[in-house]
Amino acid sequence: GENVEQHPSTLSVQEGDSAVIKCTYSDSASNYFPWYKQELGKRPQLIIDIRSNVGEKKDQRIAVTLNKTAKHFSLHITETQPEDSAVYFCAASKMGGGADGLTFGKGTHLIIQP
Amino acid sequence: DTAVSQTPKYLVTQMGNDKSIKCEQNLGHDTMYWYKQDSKKFLKIMFSYNNKELIINETVPNRFSPKSPDKAHLNLHINSLELGDSAVYFCASSQGAATQYFGPGTRLTVL
Repeated sequence: GENVEQHPSTLSVQEGDSAVIKCTYSDSASNYFPWYKQELGKRPQLIIDIRSNVGEKKDQRIAVTLNKTAKHFSLHITETQPEDSAVYFCAASKMGGGADGLTFGKGTHLIIQP
Repeated sequence: DTAVSQTPKYLVTQMGNDKSIKCEQNLGHDTMYWYKQDSKKFLKIMFSYNNKELIINETVPNRFSPKSPDKAHLNLHINSLELGDSAVYFCASSQGAATQYFGPGTRLTVL
């Protein structure tokens, strides 16, 4: 089955700096890569996703890049703010036919230092 | 309006008991899921239902049994609860294999 590795497990950055979280996946058939943000005691919430026919996607301060050949994808957050502090999860699945669950990475605890 | 809801939010029970968690979605989605988040925050798929049919049953003990009375509901029944079952259980829904939306979670504590 699919295996998703996520690094780093903890990331501390100064407010206003950029943060980058990286993930690799093992199943070349995976074609959907969402990123979820989870605040303490809350549900995971989708912040951005990318499909395998796209190499990069951006939404305001958040961007995701995908390298299918290397089987890795990354989350980039620019101009970090205190409210960006949370645990971020990458995930992978196969879209199209059936209802695959998401295989998650182990999460990155992002800490924004004031 | 709550899109994906779960009850109860907290569940504290003794080892050996049987308990159920309920999930409802009002998004009109045809696929629902159960995930388990352990104490280290690791999220793992347990079950997936599409149009009331079980699609995924990962290596979950037989003590866990999902039930989907209709497309909007997916309940999780757990028999003979064990200490290791303590976790947060999240329900999610999607339309087909599209974006999944998570419920608020149920924190289960087994004493």
